[in-house]
Amino acid sequence: RKEVEQDPGPFNVPEGATVAFNCTYSNSASQSFFWYRQDCRKEPKLLMSVYSSGNEDGRFTAQLNRASQYISLLIRDSKLSDSATYLCVVNKVGDDKIIFGKGTRLHILP
Amino acid sequence: DGGITQSPKYLFRKEGQNVTLSCEQNLNHDAMYWYRQDPGQGLRLIYYSQIVNDFQKGDIAEGYSVSREKKESFPLTVTSAQKNPTAFYLCASTRGSSYNSPLHFGNGTRLTVT
Repeated sequence: RKEVEQDPGPFNVPEGATVAFNCTYSNSASQSFFWYRQDCRKEPKLLMSVYSSGNEDGRFTAQLNRASQYISLLIRDSKLSDSATYLCVVNKVGDDKIIFGKGTRLHILP
Repeated sequence: DGGITQSPKYLFRKEGQNVTLSCEQNLNHDAMYWYRQDPGQGLRLIYYSQIVNDFQKGDIAEGYSVSREKKESFPLTVTSAQKNPTAFYLCASTRGSSYNSPLHFGNGTRLTVT
């Protein structure tokens, strides 16, 4: 099993819809989780951290399922500007390596 | 404003030449990282450093070298031994592995070797 896995997509979703995707991880000792957004030919930018209890930031909700070892990102009322690649990041506090998933491509259709 | 600066944004080199990519941060971060990204692919870790004068190989270190003589600077040299150096190179930093802190990225350097 790869350390961090994401469905590459692309997910083609109509504007206004709700979309969710997951990121699975193999190291059960992982403690630190983040979602990043990357636009074409740009650097990744932090979208949100993922906390154990789940957290929300506007239209975005992140959740952690430790039992099944995955994190999820849900986007409500999707906008055209949400079109991007979404990368998950997982690592263990105290572990030097920071591992990225390969990303999920999202296309919001007008 | 604090941040990470990578330069240049675009770099063109002939095959067989070594080239050094600059990465400077003024965030007072201890840890710095170099990633490579190929078109349509994810980020792959080249080298990382948690402290001055110390660094570790990532998953694809062959053909690359780094130095960490100052906390603020983590230059990456792409040597002629790297078989396929054309890629998008991203430098990042974070407070350190003992903190639950996210990575901050520079704008990247797009290297083309012909």
